[in-house]
Amino acid sequence: GAGVSQTPSNKVTEKGKYVELRCDPISGHTALYWYRQSLGQGPEFLIYFQGTGAADDSGLPNDRFFAVRPEGSVSTLKIQRTERGDSAVYLCASSLTGGQGETQYFGPGTRLLVL
Amino acid sequence: QKEVEQNSGPLSVPEGAIASLNCTYSDRGSQSFFWYRQYSGKSPELIMFIYSNGDKEDGRFTAQLNKASQYVSLLIRDSQPSDSATYLCAVNSYQAGTALIFGKGTTLSVSS
Repeated sequence: GAGVSQTPSNKVTEKGKYVELRCDPISGHTALYWYRQSLGQGPEFLIYFQGTGAADDSGLPNDRFFAVRPEGSVSTLKIQRTERGDSAVYLCASSLTGGQGETQYFGPGTRLLVL
Repeated sequence: QKEVEQNSGPLSVPEGAIASLNCTYSDRGSQSFFWYRQYSGKSPELIMFIYSNGDKEDGRFTAQLNKASQYVSLLIRDSQPSDSATYLCAVNSYQAGTALIFGKGTTLSVSS
């Protein structure tokens, strides 16, 4: 596609529920990143995929968060037992190869609200 | 703890003026530096990147990097109301892998 796409654009859920957020990177980009942005803050790194594998998951806050990228393209971020503190905009970005200093292109984000 | 610091602002300038946005970083191993612009409710979009000490110009934008002082700035000449947005500074270092470490952003308001 022309850019990074994310679905849904908005998600409202209740505390304790499970949610899945989807990211479709720019075609041909092997590197995919998930970030989380809370109000008034900059994006915070969660996880980085190189191809199908999670090359760096050091930013995941706890084991309720999990992400997959089974075919090396689309990725799904999964959050179990959601908490109100998980409310944020979840941003996905992709870059061509994941090289140092490479430009990351961001999708429009999914705005998650946990009630 | 790798940190990127920005003055949150708001920074207010009149139309046509120069806006100066500043950023400091704590990780001396930082190699690549990025400025992203984020309009309210939208995702970040890349404005400029800089890797080497000195200045880099692109149209109305100039990025300045001083690795010895761990300081990077963005100058916007002839500021326009459409430049009103939050500007995010991001750095990348070998220690951090390929993840970007972002500052909180500086909100710029350009009045007409």
